[in-house]
Amino acid sequence: KNQVEQSPQSLIILEGKNCTLQCNYTVSPFSNLRWYKQDTGRGPVSLTIMTFSENTKSNGRYTATLDADTKQSSLHITASQLSDSASYICVARGAGNMLTFGGGTRLMVKP
Amino acid sequence: GAVVSQHPSWVICKSGTSVKIECRSLDFQATTMFWYRQFPKQSLMLMATSNEGSKATYEQGVEKDKFLINHASLTLSTLTVTSAHPEDSSFYICSASGERSSYEQYFGPGTRLTVT
Repeated sequence: KNQVEQSPQSLIILEGKNCTLQCNYTVSPFSNLRWYKQDTGRGPVSLTIMTFSENTKSNGRYTATLDADTKQSSLHITASQLSDSASYICVARGAGNMLTFGGGTRLMVKP
Repeated sequence: GAVVSQHPSWVICKSGTSVKIECRSLDFQATTMFWYRQFPKQSLMLMATSNEGSKATYEQGVEKDKFLINHASLTLSTLTVTSAHPEDSSFYICSASGERSSYEQYFGPGTRLTVT
C-alpha cells in the first residue's frame, strides 16, 4: 500500500529561525514528489517538485531534498517569516496521475 | 502556469438542501479532474476522479448518489452535494490535470461548505 508519512505533525518556531520538515514515502512505482504549502482555508500551492534523479531543489527560502534510495525527503525553510505559518504537505505521485498525500506538518511561526 | 478556480469559495446551506460547487481549469484542457475533501487538521482525501465525458470513479466509502459529479467539458467539473447534512460540512478542493500540465494535478483554492 502506498503511504506517505510526515513529521513532525506540528511545529512552532520563532521568526527568523530555520526549520526542517521530514517526509518518508513508500510509493511504487514512483514518479515524483512535491511539497505543497497550504494556508488555512486555501488550496495547496506547489513549492517544489522532484523526480527520483534529483537530490535538491530550491525555491527561494525553501529547499527540498530527496533521497530515492531511502525514500526520504525533507523541506528546509530558511529565515522563517510569519507568513510561513501554514500546513506543509508532502505528496508522492505514483502510477498515472494518482497522488498519495502525507498528513502534513502544521507550522506556526511566532514573532 | 496552470490555473484552476472554484466557485463559490464558501457556501452556507440548510440541512436537506443541495449545493453545487464548480471547478474550472482556466488556461488548459483538463481531461481529468479530481475532487477532494478535507476536514480540519487533516490532509486531503480523494473522493472521486472524473474524466471528461465519462462517469466519475468514486473512492471506497464515498456515496455516488450523494456526491454527484459532472465533467461535461474539458474545462468544467461540478460537484453537487445532495440532501446535505451537517456532517457534510467540510473543505472541498478540486484539482485538474491534462496534457498541458504534463498530467500533473493543479489544485483549486477550495470551497468551504457549512451545512446548518
